Amino acid sequence: EPEVTQTPSHQVTQMGQEVILRCVPISNHLYFYWYRQILGQKVEFLVSFYNNEISEKSEIFDDQFSVERPDGSNFTLKIRSTKLEDSAMYFCASRRTSGGNEQFFGPGTRLTVL
Amino acid sequence: AQSVTQLGSHVSVSEGALVLLRCNYSSSVPPYLFWYVQYPNQGLQLLLKYTSAATLVKGINGFEAEFKKSETSFHLTKPSAHMSDAAEYFCAVILGSGNTGKLIFGQGTTLQVKP
Repeated sequence: EPEVTQTPSHQVTQMGQEVILRCVPISNHLYFYWYRQILGQKVEFLVSFYNNEISEKSEIFDDQFSVERPDGSNFTLKIRSTKLEDSAMYFCASRRTSGGNEQFFGPGTRLTVL
Repeated sequence: AQSVTQLGSHVSVSEGALVLLRCNYSSSVPPYLFWYVQYPNQGLQLLLKYTSAATLVKGINGFEAEFKKSETSFHLTKPSAHMSDAAEYFCAVILGSGNTGKLIFGQGTTLQVKP
C-alpha cells in the first residue's frame, strides 16, 4: 500500500540555522500539505500546495518558511532561520483529488531547535 | 470563525466499556468530517470520514461516528474498548468542496483504557 514518507524522523538544529524537511507524497496525489504539532497541542495547518504553487498558507507560514516540489516526487519545507518556537512535529500530507477525500499523513519529522 | 471542538481532553474507560469521544463543529457550509488517531510517536491515521453520504459512518478498528447536522456533532464511538485503543484522537473538518482542502483539527482527546 502506498504511503507518505518523511525524512529525517528527527532533526536537531541550532537556533538561526536553516533546516529542510523532506517528504515523498503518494505518487498519484495532486495536493500536498504541511502541518505542525507543537508538543501537547493540536495539529495546525501550515500550507497547501497544488499545481506547483502555494494555494493557501496560514499566518504561521511567514517569510521564514518556504515549500518546494523540486523534482516531481519530493515535497520540501524549508525554515530559513529557525527559532526555538519552531520546535514541533512536522507532518506532510497528500491528497489525490479535491473535495472530501482524505489526506494521507506521513509519520512526521520531529524538529528540535536548541 | 469555523472551528472544531472536542469536549474532554482526556477520557478514561475500562476495557470492554463503551468509548464516546465528542466532537462539535461550526460551519456555515456542509462540512467533510474526519476522525484521525495518533498512537504514541506515530503519525496520523484515518479512522473514518463523513462526506455527505450515510450519516452513520463505520471506520476501522470497530469505530463509528454519526453526523448530526441539527447538533453540529460528529461523535466517535466504539461499543467495547480494547487496551490497544489507547491513543490520541483528533476530529477534523474540511469546510466545503471548493477550498484547498486544509484540515482544521480539534484539540485532541487522549483515550486511556484501564484493564
